[in-house]
Amino acid sequence: EAGVAQSPRYKIIEKRQSVAFWCNPISGHATLYWYQQILGQGPKLLIQFQNNGVVDDSQLPKDRFSAERLKGVDSTLKIQPAKLEDSAVYLCASSFTSQAGPYEQYFGPGTRLTVT
Amino acid sequence: AQSVTQLDSQVPVFEEAPVELRCNYSSSVSVYLFWYVQYPNQGLQLLLKYLSGSTLVKGINGFEAEFNKSQTSFHLRKPSVHISDTAEYFCAVIAVLDYKLSFGAGTTVTVRA
Repeated sequence: EAGVAQSPRYKIIEKRQSVAFWCNPISGHATLYWYQQILGQGPKLLIQFQNNGVVDDSQLPKDRFSAERLKGVDSTLKIQPAKLEDSAVYLCASSFTSQAGPYEQYFGPGTRLTVT
Repeated sequence: AQSVTQLDSQVPVFEEAPVELRCNYSSSVSVYLFWYVQYPNQGLQLLLKYLSGSTLVKGINGFEAEFNKSQTSFHLRKPSVHISDTAEYFCAVIAVLDYKLSFGAGTTVTVRA
């Protein structure tokens, strides 16, 4: 079974530039998550989709971050314009369902963003 | 809301020695508990989880954890570590009837020969 795919793996940009990350979840997984993992911290949920609808985006800095999941499969996370404090690893995860319950989340390898 | 505290940020250990990673959580409701491992330049992989039943949970790669409700702890142990266990370990919690996973700050385990 193929895992969660993410690209690119690494990205270096200058502040005020824009950047986009792509995620392809495990086939059949209705729920998709984007996490931000700053060095020395645990992952923090940015946004959660159920199919192509947003379930929770309370932690997403909406003035600069946006995300979409067209057709309920792939997802794109965008930052525009980037700030130095956005330097982090961006993890995508997917699970079978977002309904209340301990459904295991499967994580991709992440995209390491460096903003200079 | 739930929170997780991992009491050790770094744990150096010699090969074949035992290791224990400490995790405490705070929640006003019942929770499910997880340990994830992150190898260098990789995503997170589930080691084990506590949902209900026996408080001693066994996971992959010889790891086990014990849920202690009175002490609100979920410590991870391995009796004999290998060089390949060098990684970052995250404790996480999700409230029953909720969907949001909350992570601790992580513990870096470095195994030396």
